[in-house]
Amino acid sequence: NAGVTQTPKFQVLKTGQSMTLQCAQDMNHEYMSWYRQDPGMGLRLIHYSVGAGITDQGEVPNGYNVSRSTTEDFPLRLLSAAPSQTSVYFCASNGLTGVGYNEQFFGPGTRLTVL
Amino acid sequence: KQEVTQIPAALSVPEGENLVLNCSFTDSAIYNLQWFRQDPGKGLTSLLLIQSSQREQTSGRLNASLDKSSGRSTLYIAASQPGDSATYLCAVPLTGANNLFFGTGTRLTVIP
Repeated sequence: NAGVTQTPKFQVLKTGQSMTLQCAQDMNHEYMSWYRQDPGMGLRLIHYSVGAGITDQGEVPNGYNVSRSTTEDFPLRLLSAAPSQTSVYFCASNGLTGVGYNEQFFGPGTRLTVL
Repeated sequence: KQEVTQIPAALSVPEGENLVLNCSFTDSAIYNLQWFRQDPGKGLTSLLLIQSSQREQTSGRLNASLDKSSGRSTLYIAASQPGDSATYLCAVPLTGANNLFFGTGTRLTVIP
């Protein structure tokens, strides 16, 4: 298993540009999520999905869009990049159980700089 | 809103020393608690997952404990090695949710 994969690893954008960060997992996990990590602020949840066709907002959703057309893929779209979106972005997944939560696995991250 | 605090923010120890990292959380209605390791410029690696019904979990030289009633968890690292140098993060979800709330981490340096 490749686990959780993310592309690209690095990206530089100009203010106002749009782009999509890709995330895929091959563990057949229902739950997928996107976090951003900023110095001194820890990781914060952007959007998440509990299955194909179902998405919801996290703590910091503004400026980001997601969709979940398949179980495997969960892309994150930046609609109009701003310098405040300079961050490291992590995608994560875990398999839902009857208890409701299991071990969460993270991708290697995408380091984004917005000029 | 759940808040997760990790103390200390940074820790430097000589090789071979046993050490304890602390994590506290404000809302005790959690399913479990997960400890992660993050190397510089890398992603998060899961170390230990403690279910709410457990009091501790062990993996090799790592032992994590959970006290839900007091809102605390500790990660014990035995016989530390330079390869243990990394940032250690704890995270908790709220009951009924899968969203993780993270602490800001403890940056550990083990000096050879």
